[in-house]
Amino acid sequence: DAGVTQSPTHLIKTRGQQVTLRCSPKSGHDTVSWYQQALGQGPQFIFQYYEEEERQRGNFPDRFSGHQFPNYSSELNVNALLLGDSALYLCASSFYFGDRGFETQYFGPGTRLLVL
Amino acid sequence: AQKVTQAQTEISVVEKEDVTLDCVYETRDTTYYLFWYKQPPSGELVFLIRRNSFDEQNEISGRYSWNFQKSTSSFNFTITASQVVDSAVYFCALSERENMNSGGYQKVTFGTGTKLQVIP
Repeated sequence: DAGVTQSPTHLIKTRGQQVTLRCSPKSGHDTVSWYQQALGQGPQFIFQYYEEEERQRGNFPDRFSGHQFPNYSSELNVNALLLGDSALYLCASSFYFGDRGFETQYFGPGTRLLVL
Repeated sequence: AQKVTQAQTEISVVEKEDVTLDCVYETRDTTYYLFWYKQPPSGELVFLIRRNSFDEQNEISGRYSWNFQKSTSSFNFTITASQVVDSAVYFCALSERENMNSGGYQKVTFGTGTKLQVIP
C-alpha cells in the first residue's frame, strides 16, 4: 500500500523564479491538501483540492496556486519566489466520506525548498 | 477561528522517564477532531491518533496514552517509559467539519510543536 509521495525531495531556486512541486496521494485517497512549514514552526494550511477543485484556502497570496488531476495527484505552483518562501512543503491526502466527513490526513515526506 | 496552543517548546527527559506533552485548543464548533502527529528529523509527519469531539474516552496504545478533556479544551499526550527513539517534534492539531453540504473541506490547524529530547 503506497503512501503519499512527493517530488522532488529538495529544490534550490533564486528569487523571482517559479517552482512546481508534485504529490501523489495514498492509494484510495481522493483529497489532497498542501501545507507550508517554516523552520521551527507548525505546518500552515495552504489549500485543499477535491474533485479537481480548490475547496478551501489558507492565508496565502495568489502566487500560490495548485491543480488536481483526474488521478487525484496534485501540483503546487509558486510564482515570483521570495526568500520567505523557503520552507518544507508538505502534501497530505485523505478520503472524503460525504456526510461522514473526511478520513485522517496522511502526510508525505515533504519537499524542502530553498530560495536564494 | 480555530487555534491550537502547545506551550512547551522543548522538553528533555532521561530515558525511561514518563513525559506529558500539553495541548490546549480553541474552536467554536461542537463537532471537531483532534490529532497528534510525530515529526522525526527526517521531516515526515507521522499520524499517531485522531479523536472525535464526541468521544472523551482516554486512549492507551502501548507506551502512549491520551487524555481528552472538553471541559478544559485540552488533549494531552503522555509517553510512558520514554525511549531515545521517541525524540522528535510532536504536533497537536485540530480539524473542524465545515461546509459539508457543499462537498466540504478539511482544514487542519497545527500547534507550534513540542520538541522532545530523550537522553540515554
